[in-house]
Amino acid sequence: GENVEQHPSTLSVQEGDSAVIKCTYSDSASNYFPWYKQELGKRPQLIIDIRSNVGEKKDQRIAVTLNKTAKHFSLHITETQPEDSAVYFCAAIDTGTASKLTFGTGTRLQVTL
Amino acid sequence: NAGVTQTPKFRVLKTGQSMTLLCAQDMNHEYMYWYRQDPGMGLRLIHYSVGEGTTAKGEVPDGYNVSRLKKQNFLLGLESAAPSQTSVYFCASSYEADSLEQYFGPGTRLTVT
Repeated sequence: GENVEQHPSTLSVQEGDSAVIKCTYSDSASNYFPWYKQELGKRPQLIIDIRSNVGEKKDQRIAVTLNKTAKHFSLHITETQPEDSAVYFCAAIDTGTASKLTFGTGTRLQVTL
Repeated sequence: NAGVTQTPKFRVLKTGQSMTLLCAQDMNHEYMYWYRQDPGMGLRLIHYSVGEGTTAKGEVPDGYNVSRLKKQNFLLGLESAAPSQTSVYFCASSYEADSLEQYFGPGTRLTVT
């Protein structure tokens, strides 16, 4: 089955700096890669996703890049703000054969003033 | 639309007691999932369902049972609770058509003493 590794487990940045979270996956057939954000005490929510036919996707201050050859994908947050503080989860799935996402173990991002 | 709801929000059980967690969604989603979330371990899939009347095992199914008698409801049962089942439980649903986004419920915090 799929295995997703996520690094770092914790990340502290100053407000205005950029943050990068990286994930690697094991199944070369995986073709959909979402990122979820979970604020303290809240439910996870999708913030951005990318499919394997695209190398990069942006949505305002967040972007995701995918390297299919190396089997890794990354979340980039620019101009970080205190409200970006949360736990971020990456995930992967082969939509052709699987019905369930495999999640990484999460990255706790702390944006300090 | 209420989205995905979970009942109860909190529960304390004694070892050996049983209980059922209820997940309901009003988005006509085909796919439903039960996860548990423990510190440092991310979201681990317990069981899932790809449609009414179907269930399948996830990553950590032992000690749990599920049923999907109605499309909108997905029940998670603990027959004989153990302290190792102390966790936050999240239900999620998705449509699996144009969008693969999983919508999460607010979570149930379960403590087994």
